[in-house]
Amino acid sequence: EPEVTQTPSHQVTQMGQEVILRCVPISNHLYFYWYRQILGQKVEFLVSFYNNEISEKSEIFDDQFSVERPDGSNFTLKIRSTKLEDSAMYFCASSGTTNEKLFFGSGTQLSVL
Amino acid sequence: AQSVTQPDIHITVSEGASLELRCNYSYGATPYLFWYVQSPGQGLQLLLKYFSGDTLVQGIKGFEAEFKRSQSSFNLRKPSVHWSDAAEYFCAVGAYNFNKFYFGSGTKLNVKP
Repeated sequence: EPEVTQTPSHQVTQMGQEVILRCVPISNHLYFYWYRQILGQKVEFLVSFYNNEISEKSEIFDDQFSVERPDGSNFTLKIRSTKLEDSAMYFCASSGTTNEKLFFGSGTQLSVL
Repeated sequence: AQSVTQPDIHITVSEGASLELRCNYSYGATPYLFWYVQSPGQGLQLLLKYFSGDTLVQGIKGFEAEFKRSQSSFNLRKPSVHWSDAAEYFCAVGAYNFNKFYFGSGTKLNVKP
């Protein structure tokens, strides 16, 4: 089965640094998402992206966050100045023409020190 | 407000025993309901989904779930659990346009030999 690929699997950074989390969605998919899961908490929606623009974002997704699809294959999440509370597992997901089925990547564990 | 509740944080069952994982949702419109499974180090994998029609839905790996509108529930069941079913299970409700999914906090399943 096709899969969503995320890199790196683990990222450690210092508070205040910028990080970019990378995702390669499934090749013919049109809808892209970022979710995160803080340890012991729910998986939370961050942002959805369609047709080269953000279609919806949560209150978590403030000005420190941005997403980009720089080419035809990658989908990135940038955190401009990381905070301790940004430590979480970040999941990328994509879905196809009928966007009801999300395919998730295996996640990037971000640790902010 | 939309939300998903999974009342059981941890469940332990013996291999071969039956399993039921509970999920209750709160959603203002017709819910689109999902169960995902997350094995250690893996992404979220879709087990099954309910959109409409028959309220008992079959999924992969021998799982099924029943939608009960009167109880706002979508419980996951399996008649005979295998050791490989040990994982964390997430119930989710999708917004009408599938642009956002709301996840429960998950239930960790342990399987005793």
